[in-house]
Amino acid sequence: EVQLVESGGGLVQPGGSLRLSCAASGFTFSSFWMHWVRQTPEKGLVWVSRIYNDGTRPSYADSVKGRFTISRDNAKNTLYLQMNSLRVEDTAVYYCARDPDSGGWSRFDLWGQGSLVAVSS
Amino acid sequence: DIQTTQSPSSLSASIGDRVTITCRASQNIRSYLNWYQQKPGKAPKVLIYAAYSLQSGVPSRFSVSGSGTDFTLTISSLQPEDFATYYCQQSYKTPYTFGQGTKLEMK
Repeated sequence: EVQLVESGGGLVQPGGSLRLSCAASGFTFSSFWMHWVRQTPEKGLVWVSRIYNDGTRPSYADSVKGRFTISRDNAKNTLYLQMNSLRVEDTAVYYCARDPDSGGWSRFDLWGQGSLVAVSS
Repeated sequence: DIQTTQSPSSLSASIGDRVTITCRASQNIRSYLNWYQQKPGKAPKVLIYAAYSLQSGVPSRFSVSGSGTDFTLTISSLQPEDFATYYCQQSYKTPYTFGQGTKLEMK
């Protein structure tokens, strides 16, 4: 089955760290750019980060630049988001998403189930 | 950053109605505009990409028009499964930005 399965979310104190994982299956993970998108009721859907299929050229939203790091292990078919210096405003459901047309008509055609990250003291 | 603004933020309609949702970008994004549908507790699902292309499996009652800065999503005849929240998203350049969403509710 073609799917993305996220893990690693949870409750963390402000200033803490968390690493999200997104395990891909059913497709050739190494061929696709991948993204992280987060969602809150207040701000809706917000793009967080993107990484090329070969693990290069990470790109970030300004709100997370310098604090979050996207990476991937194509041998393990897994995408990661290392989140440091977490803030209350980082509280959200985090989705990993596949980009089927890397470099072309970019879009998110396959999403994970979402992982809740709650930052609170 | 490119701002994407949707209207209306909510919409009440009945089965069989024709509905239209508008998305406006703050600068010319050519045809780099995608539309998603999201149901409660689920991840979004892409409906249309590159402004006009229907994602595989999406019914033909969904259509789009526009390019540049102004885009419209039309559902020609609402079905029960269409009641959801719809988002536009520009993929012209990062940071990719989403509209704030249009919640389509049953009248």
